Amino acid sequence: NAGVTQTPKFQVLKTGQSMTLQCAQDMNHNSMYWYRQDPGMGLRLIYYSASEGTTDKGEVPNGYNVSRLNKREFSLRLESAAPSQTSVYFCASLFGEQYFGPGTRLTVT
Amino acid sequence: GENVEQHPSTLSVQEGDSAVIKCTYSDSASNYFPWYKQELGKRPQLIIDIRSNVGEKKDQRIAVTLNKTAKHFSLHITETQPEDSAVYFCAAALFGNEKLTFGTGTRLTIIP
Repeated sequence: NAGVTQTPKFQVLKTGQSMTLQCAQDMNHNSMYWYRQDPGMGLRLIYYSASEGTTDKGEVPNGYNVSRLNKREFSLRLESAAPSQTSVYFCASLFGEQYFGPGTRLTVT
Repeated sequence: GENVEQHPSTLSVQEGDSAVIKCTYSDSASNYFPWYKQELGKRPQLIIDIRSNVGEKKDQRIAVTLNKTAKHFSLHITETQPEDSAVYFCAAALFGNEKLTFGTGTRLTIIP
């Protein structure tokens, strides 16, 4: 049981570039989440998906899009990266408690 | 929406002493309050949670108390050890809603 996995672990982008962060879980959970973590600001919800085929905005959705490809996978896309999107991104899934992935450290220069 | 405030932002205690971290929430409908521990460079992990039908829950050296009237809840760590050094996050949600609102975190340092 791998739990929640994320790729890549680290990424450096130039302003304006695009990329997709991948997340997968093998626990058969319905709900999946994307958070960003910035110093002093805790974990802020970007988007979540309560079930396959549904997605909803969280607290800070601007500049991001998501896809719930199937029950296992939930991806986060940055269409045109900005320095303000430099952060650590965590994916999570939920069954009773939230299980977090290992995180992706993204730097936008 | 829900707003969660967490204090203090940093806390240093001597090994063996107790540590207390406090959170307040704004939405009186919230009824689920988990606490997460995040070690440096690691993912957050649930350490204890409480639902609003109880006022206190303990798990060995960790306890959480909830005051629904005042809309605040606290994490208590007794007999602190070096491995307790980490960032701790509180959160609040309406159980079943599945959207957690997190506090801004407390960096706890245990001084040997």
